[in-house]
Amino acid sequence: GAGVSQSPRYKVTKRGQDVALRCDPISGHVSLYWYRQALGQGPEFLTYFNYEAQQDKSGLPNDRFSAERPEGSISTLTIQRTEQRDSAMYRCASSSGRGAYEQYFGPGTRLTVT
Amino acid sequence: GENVEQHPSTLSVQEGDSAVIKCTYSDSASNYFPWYKQELGKGPQLIIDIRSNVGEKKDQRIAVTLNKTAKHFSLHITETQPEDSAVYFCAALNKFYFGSGTKLNVKP
Repeated sequence: GAGVSQSPRYKVTKRGQDVALRCDPISGHVSLYWYRQALGQGPEFLTYFNYEAQQDKSGLPNDRFSAERPEGSISTLTIQRTEQRDSAMYRCASSSGRGAYEQYFGPGTRLTVT
Repeated sequence: GENVEQHPSTLSVQEGDSAVIKCTYSDSASNYFPWYKQELGKGPQLIIDIRSNVGEKKDQRIAVTLNKTAKHFSLHITETQPEDSAVYFCAALNKFYFGSGTKLNVKP
């Protein structure tokens, strides 16, 4: 079956612009996670959802970052007024939930802010 | 993540030898410990995991051990092969903390 997909795979934007990154989880997966991964580092937790409810957003760096999952499936991570320090790989993962923690990662979106 | 420390950061072994990667965690509420393999240009792939009610788990050449008292867990790869070369990440979940990764190089 299809895995987690993310789009776009690459995004170059100018400082100050808003960007929206999309994640399409594995069909039927209840939980969806967003991470940021710097080169040579492990994934850094941003936020996660069970169904459409945002359970934890403690990892979002500041109020320029927001995420939504309005219908409990596809999720969008939005970064407003991008800054160069936002440049990173943004990864999405999903899990079947209901006590199952196994997370399956997508290929990521490489964001470059110029 | 600051709550999970992973060592070593790089590991080079000869094909056929064993490789061991170690992680320690600080959050005593952590109850699930997965290991991920990440190849160049790809997302992390789950290879093995262990829950806090188990001390050891094995899957062919890969095994994971957990010491809850000491708050550390380890990945063991036996009979390493060149295709095992990748970056490996540990994680400790209650909160979503990942280690900083170990780059494993298996020399043929």
